Amino acid sequence: DVVMTQTPVSLPVSLGGQASISCRSSQSLVHSNGNTYLHWYLQKPGQSPQLLIYRVSNRFSGVPDRFSGSGSGTDFTLKISRVEPEDLGDYYCLQSTHFPPTFGSGTKLEIK
Amino acid sequence: EVQLKESGPGLVQPSQTLSLTCTVSGFSLTDYSVHWVRQPPGKGLEWMGVMWSGGSTAYNSALKSRLSISRDTSKSQVFLKMNSLQTEDTAIYYCTLEFLYSGQGTLVTVSS
Repeated sequence: DVVMTQTPVSLPVSLGGQASISCRSSQSLVHSNGNTYLHWYLQKPGQSPQLLIYRVSNRFSGVPDRFSGSGSGTDFTLKISRVEPEDLGDYYCLQSTHFPPTFGSGTKLEIK
Repeated sequence: EVQLKESGPGLVQPSQTLSLTCTVSGFSLTDYSVHWVRQPPGKGLEWMGVMWSGGSTAYNSALKSRLSISRDTSKSQVFLKMNSLQTEDTAIYYCTLEFLYSGQGTLVTVSS
């Protein structure tokens, strides 16, 4: 199985500041069709995970442009600018290029 | 509007079988796949298995011997059955439309 290494585990940020989360895969996430199936989710307290970014850099419907994704191959980053209180929670990356789909272990974004 | 809703018993005794239902609306099960994901309390996300749009299934190898996923397209429902439950199977169980939309999850506690 593809191992997704997500860092940091915890990320204290100031409101209005910027946050960056890394996700590295144990093998390339480029599919044979040329697409890269790396996605980012936010799980707010007591809620189910909600999709933020799909296929590395595409914001899902309704996601503010403060969220951006980048990367390629095995190295991916989620950046959150101008952090707001509603952004706090657990962030997960997911790869669905290879079977089975595997998640990163999560990053808790909290107030500094 | 896409909706998914999980339902099932909140409490299951050890060694018994878990049966969950995911009722969907806003899309057809014959057009999209539905995955099951679980999350033990305070821990990360684990992919369990998938009902593909064509009707075939695939499972996490760690759960394959205990897990079965089926569907009733006429009722827009996907079913999860897992036997020989143990305390470590205590988790919130989610169904998700191709990792785009998820239900709110249902907590299953395995305890005598």
